[in-house]
Amino acid sequence: DGGITQSPKYLFRKEGQNVTLSCEQNLNHDAMYWYRQDPGQGLRLIYYSQIVNDFQKGDIAEGYSVSREKKESFPLTVTSAQKNPTAFYLCASSYGQGKVYGYTFGSGTRLTVV
Amino acid sequence: DAKTTQPNSMESNEEEPVHLPCNHSTISGTDYIHWYRQLPSQGPEYVIHGLTSNVNNRMASLAIAEDRKSSTLILHRATLRDAAVYYCILRDDGNGGSQGNLIFGKGTKLSVKP
Repeated sequence: DGGITQSPKYLFRKEGQNVTLSCEQNLNHDAMYWYRQDPGQGLRLIYYSQIVNDFQKGDIAEGYSVSREKKESFPLTVTSAQKNPTAFYLCASSYGQGKVYGYTFGSGTRLTVV
Repeated sequence: DAKTTQPNSMESNEEEPVHLPCNHSTISGTDYIHWYRQLPSQGPEYVIHGLTSNVNNRMASLAIAEDRKSSTLILHRATLRDAAVYYCILRDDGNGGSQGNLIFGKGTKLSVKP
């Protein structure tokens, strides 16, 4: 079955460390997205990519970096510059313009700074 | 992006219909109305979307007001598994060259009582 896979499900990071969250999809979707969710809040857009080798900053990109070398993969690196990285991170994908189709979300990675 | 307004929370009894309202008075002609839901500790799940006409699928129905300034998501028979946060989101269709991303608010938390 096609889908979108995020790993790991839980991740612990020491302060000052960079960590990379994985997101892989086999839906042949062109666009991929990273969102952050804090407790009791909605999702906020970090980065998005409409095509391979191109990506755009979302509303809260500071302290994060991404790459899109393959259509199937869109990893997110949480750098030490992100002051409050503890959150639930969600990856999503959609067809091209996405106007007709919805987004498919992964099951999320819960990141905790220890 | 045009904003939506939803009640913070709603309650329903199991096996009864649920009507989840959404106001979007500043909607533009090219905005689609999307609904997603998020179960606890999971990624959001696409529910339904529409532009002008009412829409039905296996999960729910979407009733759109004639002036498009409001819409209602209808769950015909609520089950305990429908307890989730429901998000109403407007998204530009992108034909004008500016494809909007999904912008999530806080949504409506639906509780279902047995």
